[in-house]
Parts: sequence; structure tokens; C-alpha cells
Amino acid sequence: DTGVSQNPRHKITKRGQNVTFRCDPISEHNRLYWYRQTLGQGPEFLTYFQNEAQLEKSRLLSDRFSAERPKGSFSTLEIQRTEQGDSAMYLCASSLQGTGGWYEQYFGPGTRLTVT
Amino acid sequence: AQTVTQSQPEMSVQEAETVTLSCTYDTSESDYYLFWYKQPPSRQMILVIRQEAYKQQNATENRFSVNFQKAAKSFSLKISDSQLGDAAMYFCAYSPGAQKLVFGQGTRLTINP
Repeated sequence: DTGVSQNPRHKITKRGQNVTFRCDPISEHNRLYWYRQTLGQGPEFLTYFQNEAQLEKSRLLSDRFSAERPKGSFSTLEIQRTEQGDSAMYLCASSLQGTGGWYEQYFGPGTRLTVT
Repeated sequence: AQTVTQSQPEMSVQEAETVTLSCTYDTSESDYYLFWYKQPPSRQMILVIRQEAYKQQNATENRFSVNFQKAAKSFSLKISDSQLGDAAMYFCAYSPGAQKLVFGQGTRLTINP
């Protein structure tokens, strides 16, 4: 088990370009979360999946953002027409959710996006 | 809306001493979970300690313990015998259940040798 992995680790793009990030969760984990962390702040929730179903999206997730988790394995987060305000660290986390209770979310190293 | 507030942007402590990080939260739920996460520089977030709101007993994990005051909606983290490896950003977080985490702004902890 290699933990949650995210690619790329760093992305520099010009304003107006589209970018896509990938998250590979711990195998067998059925829950996958995306968070965004700006410099000096705590992570903010964006969206999460239970298997392939997207169960909740934050209001932070504008229509320029889209996330998918085909087949309930890896997930992608796409940002269209990037803006300078999208510059942040994008964190992915996964958990093995059972019935009831809370199960630890394991975080990946993040993808740092810089929009110039 | 649920919110988490950490009023100490930075804290420092001498190695081997004890330090307490503060956190308050706001929720109308009666059942929820509280957490402290550690984020070392350029490394991923890891869970330090967890507290279930229905448990009166404060959680403890080795040198880390919490002071959970449900009525006051306060959740502080005490680190005993501080070590250089404890230097990191510490985030207090809340979850109403098996859902998203709501994080505070973080406290940067420096350990002085």
C-alpha cells in the first residue's frame, strides 16, 4: 500500500488554460474527497465521492470545476478557463467508509497549481 | 453553518516543554467528531488525534491529549515533551459524521531547541 498519490505535484499554467489533476486513492477505499488549500489557510472542502457517485459539491465548486471518479477508482479534477484565484494546493483524501461512525481520511501530498 | 476557529496563528515552545493549541467551533449538531491534523512542511496531512462528541473522556495518543469542553464548544490540543519533529502546521477540524472535514485556519508550531 503506497498511500494516496496525486499527479502532477506541481502545475504552472497561464490564465484561461484548462488543467486536470489526478488522484489515486488507497486501493479498496470507497470514499474520495477533494479539498483546496490556499496559502496560510486550512483546507476547504470541494467535493466527495462514494465509489463512482458524487455525493456532495461545495458552493466553492463553480461551473468551471468538474470532478469525476469513473469506475470508483481514481478521480480527476478539471478546472476550465483558469483564473489567478484558482492558484492553490489541491488535496485529495480517501477513506474506507463502513456503516456508521467515522473512518480516517488519508491525505495525498497535493497538487500545487500556479496560475500566471 | 459549521465553523472552526483557531485564534493562535503561531505558537512556539522549547523542546521538552508542554504547549497547548486552542480551537473553538460552532455547530448545532449534537453528535459529531473533532480532530487535530498535523501538516509538516512540504509533507502531507496526517491525523494526530480524534474525539467523538458523545464521549466525555478526553482522547489521548501518547504525548498528545485533548481538552474537550462540549458546552463551551472548545477543543484544545496539548503536546507534552515537545520534540523537534512536532514542528508543523496544526489544524483543528470538525465533521458531523462520515462526511467532509471543516478545518480551522491553522496554528504554526515552532519548536526551539
